Amino acid sequence: DAKTTQPTSMDCAEGRAANLPCNHSTISGNEYVYWYRQIHSQGPQYIIHGLKNNETNEMASLIITEDRKSSTLILPHATLRDTAVYYCIVRAWGDSNYQLIWGAGTKLIIKP
Amino acid sequence: GAGVSQSPRYKVAKRGQDVALRCDPISGHVSLFWYQQALGQGPEFLTYFQNEAQLDKSGLPSDRFFAERPEGSVSTLKIQRTQQEDSAVYLCASSLIDQAAFFGQGTRLTVV
Repeated sequence: DAKTTQPTSMDCAEGRAANLPCNHSTISGNEYVYWYRQIHSQGPQYIIHGLKNNETNEMASLIITEDRKSSTLILPHATLRDTAVYYCIVRAWGDSNYQLIWGAGTKLIIKP
Repeated sequence: GAGVSQSPRYKVAKRGQDVALRCDPISGHVSLFWYQQALGQGPEFLTYFQNEAQLDKSGLPSDRFFAERPEGSVSTLKIQRTQQEDSAVYLCASSLIDQAAFFGQGTRLTVV
C-alpha cells in the first residue's frame, strides 16, 4: 500500500501558484519524499525530491514540514501544460528499497 | 538518445499470443525498472535490474511474465500466452544507483 495520501483532484487558475499537499505521517527517518507527474498518455516525469530541507529546482519547490509528516509541492506559475496527475511517493535510500510505491495521485487541472 | 525509449508504443495482441516489449534505458544507467499501469491507477512495480542482474522480480504477476537484460543495457519484457487482464501500459524506467528514476513513454498493450 502507498505510504502517502493526497487529494483526489484540485483546480488552479492559470498563472497562479498551485499548491499540492501530501500526507506521509508514517515516514521513516531514511525515507525521501519524491514527486512525479504524469501528463495524459505519457510516462511519469520526475519533478523533485527531498529529505527534510526545502528544495527548489526549475520546475517546482518542495516544502517539507519540520516533523516530516507532510509536504507541499508548489508550482509557482501554473500553465495549462501543468495539467496532469501528480504523485507523491516516499522511498528509502539504499539498494534494498528501490521500489516506488504509487498511490492514486492528485489530478491537477489548470483552468484558463 | 537523451531519454528512456520504449518500443513499440502500442501493441495489440490476440489472446494466447506471446509479446515482447523493449526498453532502451538512458546510457550509463545501472538500474532499470519495469512497471505495469492499469487505466486510472498508479504504476505497479514488476521487476528491477542492476546491470544484468535481476535483483527483484517479486512484482511479476505470473510465470507467464519474464524479463531480461542480458548485457546490462537494453531490456525486454516478455509475456507468454497473453490474457485480457494483461492489457495495460508497461513502463520502463532507468536511473543511476539511488537516484531519481526517469521513465519512458510506455507501451500500451491491448489483448483482444
